[in-house]
Amino acid sequence: EDKVVQSPLSLVVHEGDTVTLNCSYEVTNFRSLLWYKQEKKAPTFLFMLTSSGIEKKSGRLSSILDKKELFSILNITATQTGDSAIYLCAVEEAGNNRKLIWGLGTSLAVNP
Amino acid sequence: SAVISQKPSRDICQRGTSLTIQCQVDSQVTMMFWYRQQPGQSLTLIATANQGSEATYESGFVIDKFPISRPNLTFSTLTVSNMSPEDSSIYLCSVHLFDREGYGYTFGSGTRLTVV
Repeated sequence: EDKVVQSPLSLVVHEGDTVTLNCSYEVTNFRSLLWYKQEKKAPTFLFMLTSSGIEKKSGRLSSILDKKELFSILNITATQTGDSAIYLCAVEEAGNNRKLIWGLGTSLAVNP
Repeated sequence: SAVISQKPSRDICQRGTSLTIQCQVDSQVTMMFWYRQQPGQSLTLIATANQGSEATYESGFVIDKFPISRPNLTFSTLTVSNMSPEDSSIYLCSVHLFDREGYGYTFGSGTRLTVV
């Protein structure tokens, strides 16, 4: 059965810390891996990764994919209280429907 | 990226009643996706709605319980029928469109449903 596993499930850090969130997957027909930030209800898109070893970067956030070892990491440097959220990882299946398989998320709390 | 207007934002409903959730997209899209997120859980795909054809439902979801309409390329509705407390969830619509970074899935603002 296809699955996406995120770790840790929750994390509490202090402002200024650097965090690394993990996402491993077992998906038969892989197309891409996506990271989202969910603060209230709607997830907001962070990154889409399709190729191994190419880092995507947006401000203090960066992410990279390893298609051989079947995992991705999301790094957040110099964390701020506004980074507190649930970070979701999803793998998009290849095919017409492009179904997303979601992990449970990592709940990040950044304390001042 | 697309902008999706989802309504209502939240509702408290009596068991046995039905609620229709609407999503309006500012771009034409072929596929719209409807998700449910139960408390403490991740997102679960309910169905994929294509314009001009019946929605494709995932295992565990049926049309009688979650009828979907897709009258055109910018609009869709999901109805939660004969509600029970187990239907209390966040419901989200989503589309995927190309943007500057490649493409990604954009979500509506979500509907928080509580069934009492």
